[in-house]
Amino acid sequence: GDSVTQMEGPVTLSEEAFLTINCTYTATGYPSLFWYVQYPGEGLQLLLKATKADDKGSNKGFEATYRKETTSFHLEKGSVQVSDSAVYFCALRMGGRSGGSNYKLTFGKGTLLTVNP
Amino acid sequence: DGGITQSPKYLFRKEGQNVTLSCEQNLNHDAMYWYRQDPGQGLRLIYYSQIVNDFQKGDIAEGYSVSREKKESFPLTVTSAQKNPTAFYLCASRLNGELFFGEGSRLTVL
Repeated sequence: GDSVTQMEGPVTLSEEAFLTINCTYTATGYPSLFWYVQYPGEGLQLLLKATKADDKGSNKGFEATYRKETTSFHLEKGSVQVSDSAVYFCALRMGGRSGGSNYKLTFGKGTLLTVNP
Repeated sequence: DGGITQSPKYLFRKEGQNVTLSCEQNLNHDAMYWYRQDPGQGLRLIYYSQIVNDFQKGDIAEGYSVSREKKESFPLTVTSAQKNPTAFYLCASRLNGELFFGEGSRLTVL
């Protein structure tokens, strides 16, 4: 079945450091790919997404590029801030653009990021 | 403000008791979802509903039940049959391929 594998955390960085959180996937076909962020005590928020190969999603200084050849969607940020401390989830979705009746997101296990001042 | 409201935020339950978690949305979305989150395990789908009066089992539906009598509401009941109910429960609704999540309900079974 479809699956998502994220690098295990926790990841601890100093402010202004470079961030990479690795994400690879296994799927039959061509999924859409997502990164969600969960701040402490809250639900998940969509951070960015990419719907086809070579697309780059970006938001709030974070970027991820959909690499079909390596089945990867690594999350990067050039300079992290303390406010970026959160759990980050990679996810994939099969199905059409709106998903229809077979819409289903498959999540990775999450990576806890802590940024120290 | 439009959004998804889950209640209660924290809930304690004795073993053998059923408990119902509320999820309400005023986004006018047709589809709604319940996920369970455990430390180090990511999110797992419990139930989902594409439209009023219809719902489907997700990957871990055993010990849970839902109803969808109104578009705005998708309550989840954690029954006594659920062997390990202590977890963080997240409700979401969907529009055009994007999920919108509530802030979650943390259930602890004593």
